[in-house]
Amino acid sequence: GAGVSQTPSNKVTEKGKYVELRCDPISGHTALYWYRQSLGQGPEFLIYFQGTGAADDSGLPNDRFFAVRPEGSVSTLKIQRTERGDSAVYLCASSSGRNQPQHFGDGTRLSIL
Amino acid sequence: KQEVTQIPAALSVPEGENLVLNCSFTDSAIYNLQWFRQDPGKGLTSLLLIQSSQREQTSGRLNASLDKSSGRSTLYIAASQPGDSATYLCAVRTGDTDKLIFGTGTRLQVFP
Repeated sequence: GAGVSQTPSNKVTEKGKYVELRCDPISGHTALYWYRQSLGQGPEFLIYFQGTGAADDSGLPNDRFFAVRPEGSVSTLKIQRTERGDSAVYLCASSSGRNQPQHFGDGTRLSIL
Repeated sequence: KQEVTQIPAALSVPEGENLVLNCSFTDSAIYNLQWFRQDPGKGLTSLLLIQSSQREQTSGRLNASLDKSSGRSTLYIAASQPGDSATYLCAVRTGDTDKLIFGTGTRLQVFP
């Protein structure tokens, strides 16, 4: 596609539920990133994939968060036993290389009631 | 630990003014620096990327400079327009990781 696509654009769920957020990167981009942005703040890094493998998952806040990219393209961020503090905008980005810009999707706004 | 600061937090100017947005970072060992624009409810749009070996980059009315040794970058916007109203974010990539570390942004409003 022309840009990074994220679905759903909005997700509202109850505390304790499981959610999956999807990211479809720019075609051919080998690097994929997940960030989380709270209101009035800059995005904070969660996890980075190079191909199918997670090259850096140091930003995942705890073991309720997990992400996969099984075929080196689409990625899914999974959150178990959601808490109200997980409410934020989850942003995905992709890049064609270390010295190339990261291109972002419009994000998924997650609200935990 | 790398920290990125942006000043001012908010700026409101009349149309036509030339603007300077500031970004500072604590660890000068960066790989590159990227400036983004974010419109309300939207994702980030990449504006300019400056490699650590470069001093500046230009795109249209935008010019970004980098002084790595002093830990500073500036985004210069010439002849501002109401359509430039948005939040501007800078982010650095350190040499040992591919993640971006962001500032909290400058919220710009340009009024007619």
